[in-house]
Amino acid sequence: GENVEQHPSTLSVQEGDSAVIKCTYSDSASNYFPWYKQELGKRPQLIIDIRSNVGEKKDQRIAVTLNKTAKHFSLHITETQPEDSAVYFCAAFPPSNDYKLSFGAGTTVTVRA
Amino acid sequence: DTGVSQDPRHKITKRGQNVTFRCDPISEHNRLYWYRQTLGQGPEFLTYFQNEAQLEKSRLLSDRFSAERPKGSFSTLEIQRTEQGDSAMYLCASSPRGRDGYTFGSGTRLTVV
Repeated sequence: GENVEQHPSTLSVQEGDSAVIKCTYSDSASNYFPWYKQELGKRPQLIIDIRSNVGEKKDQRIAVTLNKTAKHFSLHITETQPEDSAVYFCAAFPPSNDYKLSFGAGTTVTVRA
Repeated sequence: DTGVSQDPRHKITKRGQNVTFRCDPISEHNRLYWYRQTLGQGPEFLTYFQNEAQLEKSRLLSDRFSAERPKGSFSTLEIQRTEQGDSAMYLCASSPRGRDGYTFGSGTRLTVV
């Protein structure tokens, strides 16, 4: 099955700086990569996703890049704000199924005011 | 809130007891998923339903676990003879079909003492 690795496990940034989280995946056929944000005690919420037919997608301060050759994808948060503090999970959907998400272990992001 | 609802939010039980959790998906979603999340890890897939049919069960789902979705609406997850290793957050999610609209609930946190 698909194996997703995520780095770093924790990330502390100064408010206004950028944060970058990187993930690698094992199944070269995987073609859909969502990112979830989970605040303490709350549900994981989809913040952005990317499909394998594009290399980059941006939504305001959040962007995701995908390198299919290297089998890695990254989340970029610019101009970080305190409300960006949360745990972020990357995930991958292999094409062999359209129901089972394989998650990374998560990155705890702390934005220092 | 018309999202995915889970009940209870927290459950503390003694080892050896049985517990049951409930998930109410978004009403028009015919797919329902259960995941387990342990501390410091991403969610891990347990099982999924399309309408009332349970279509896949992970090897993580031992014979002490059973899930049902009798009328294709709400679902229950029962754990019999709980063990300390069952302590985790149990997340439910639903989607209309496949990957799009995959929405998580806030989870049930189980503590086995």
